[in-house]
Amino acid sequence: KAGVTQTPRYLIKTRGQQVTLSCSPISGHRSVSWYQQTPGQGLQFLFEYFSETQRNKGNFPGRFSGRQFSNSRSEMNVSTLELGDSALYLCASSLAPIGGRYQETQYFGPGTRLLVL
Amino acid sequence: AQRVTQPEKLLSVFKGAPVELKCNYSYSGSPELFWYVQYSRQRLQLLLRHISRESIKGFTADLNKGETSFHLKKPFAQEEDSAMYYCALMRAGGTSYGKLTFGQGTILTVHP
Repeated sequence: KAGVTQTPRYLIKTRGQQVTLSCSPISGHRSVSWYQQTPGQGLQFLFEYFSETQRNKGNFPGRFSGRQFSNSRSEMNVSTLELGDSALYLCASSLAPIGGRYQETQYFGPGTRLLVL
Repeated sequence: AQRVTQPEKLLSVFKGAPVELKCNYSYSGSPELFWYVQYSRQRLQLLLRHISRESIKGFTADLNKGETSFHLKKPFAQEEDSAMYYCALMRAGGTSYGKLTFGQGTILTVHP
């Protein structure tokens, strides 16, 4: 099976612009989580989507949003970019079976490196 | 709120020596604990999780609820073990969907 893919891999934007990042999960995976990775804060959870619904959200401002499509592909959007948004953005997918007792393993993509100038 | 602490940012050992990467967590409920590894220029990948009780690439980790720890151990380190290691926690069941809480990571270097 192909792994999680993310596009684009690198992105340079200027302050005030907006950006959309894309994530294609492993075939059959229905849950997609997004994380921001920075040298100072490490890996921080942004949000999780399942069946086109956001089920969980981390402590990020409303400028960070996302969505999921019927084929489980997901996008995240950051509006009004700030310098501090420069980071590696990772998405991860998991099976998320209904009624599963344990959380399913998350499989990560290679990330999109965003630089805000 | 849950928290994961990896006290060592850097850890250096020689090939063949035992290695232990420490992980402590704070969470009042039932946690699921994971170790993820990131080799140079590769993506983050699962190494092991506590419920599987497997030994992967010679690594083991035992969940100690009394000490709230999930240390990663290997009796004989190899050069190919050099990587960044992250300990992560997820709430078992409940509504914390898809949220892994990561430690800051430990860079392990195994010298020849």
